Amino acid sequence: ETGVTQSPTHLIKTRGQQVTLRCSSQSGHNTVSWYQQALGQGPQFIFQYYREEENGRGNFPPRFSGLQFPNYSSELNVNALELDDSALYLCASSLVGADYGYTFGSGTRLTVV
Amino acid sequence: DAKTTQPNSMESNEEEPVHLPCNHSTISGTDYIHWYRQLPSQGPEYVIHGLTSNVNNRMASLAIAEDRKSSTLILHRATLRDAAVYYCILRDVDFGNEKLTFGTGTRLTIIP
Repeated sequence: ETGVTQSPTHLIKTRGQQVTLRCSSQSGHNTVSWYQQALGQGPQFIFQYYREEENGRGNFPPRFSGLQFPNYSSELNVNALELDDSALYLCASSLVGADYGYTFGSGTRLTVV
Repeated sequence: DAKTTQPNSMESNEEEPVHLPCNHSTISGTDYIHWYRQLPSQGPEYVIHGLTSNVNNRMASLAIAEDRKSSTLILHRATLRDAAVYYCILRDVDFGNEKLTFGTGTRLTIIP
């Protein structure tokens, strides 16, 4: 198993800028999800992709968008960054269905100044 | 979403068993019970999951009450590496609603 890898590990952006975070899913997994984790809180679901289409979305505005590629890698894009977007962004992959566990990456720490 | 309730924190001595409780009184018949843990500065790590029967793997055991309204994660012999936040999560089979809803979890401290 190759695990889930995310890049970059740390990033500093200015308010109003745009950012793209990248994720490579674990080999054999066909879904990828993104989570936002603010300091001291549990991860919050942003959205999930399956077969390159969005398959569920949490309570995040449209400026959070994503892509899943045929090789099951994924991107999270955030436009018009706000200070409150500062957080750890986690990517997780799995097989579709509740009888499978998720494999999480180590995350990208985004700081918006 | 079905919700879970966990103690905010627990302590255990190294090399002793640890029982982490979780209440999920509104669980539906199709909800799987999943446990994850998160070590400092890392992403969550899958620990174990089950539906109705007790489950064992190399990391832990999961004991599920007969009415499924509660469960207990058992670490048989705690080590310092087990110090983490443990999350009990219900995951439904509903396609298109695959999210994991994390609560605040239980912060487990291991005393050397």
